Amino acid sequence: AQTVTQSQPEMSVQEAETVTLSCTYDTSESNYYLFWYKQPPSRQMILVIRQEAYKQQNATENRFSVNFQKAAKSFSLKISDSQLGDTAMYFCAFMNRDSSYKLIFGSGTRLLVRP
Amino acid sequence: DAGVIQSPRHEVTEMGQEVTLRCKPISGHNSLFWYRQTMMRGLELLIYFNNNVPIDDSGMPEDRFSAKMPNASFSTLKIQPSEPRDSAVYFCASSGPLHGNTEAFFGQGTRLTVV
Repeated sequence: AQTVTQSQPEMSVQEAETVTLSCTYDTSESNYYLFWYKQPPSRQMILVIRQEAYKQQNATENRFSVNFQKAAKSFSLKISDSQLGDTAMYFCAFMNRDSSYKLIFGSGTRLLVRP
Repeated sequence: DAGVIQSPRHEVTEMGQEVTLRCKPISGHNSLFWYRQTMMRGLELLIYFNNNVPIDDSGMPEDRFSAKMPNASFSTLKIQPSEPRDSAVYFCASSGPLHGNTEAFFGQGTRLTVV
């Protein structure tokens, strides 16, 4: 069975600075996707970024980028130039492409951006 | 497209009552998921439909829970009888072939409180 671990329950960063959220996962599968979702206080789940396991290049979306270390099964999210609107819960998630499209979520990291 | 639409946004009910949560997926999507979010257990998949057929219901906690998808544009999650431990936020999500079913779009969730 796949598991996703987020070891940082809470993080804090000063506005305009950079912060990295950690995520590790465990799987024996080879064809999978990894995701970071953001959940602001409105509770809407918003996809931030997606990484395909077979791609070596790290995904980037504007101020958001990942550090995907496949051998180490590590998938961290870097937020550059943090903004107050980045304050939210962040969930790392795993999808096994071969068996189903369901997402397995980590426990989340609460990020606070300080003005 | 209006996105995934869930109703109601909030539901308060008494223990023992029947509760029905509703979901309208994004038009053209062929996969639909029901997730539950609690503080104790985080985000967990309850059931997954593909082309209106239940594929994986291993996450449904017990027989009090049932889900249906009578057509491609509507799904329900029913709890009968409800119990206080069912209090949670219930999310519906859908995905479609445009992104290889790898991008799940979430509704805004239904916050259920059973008293």
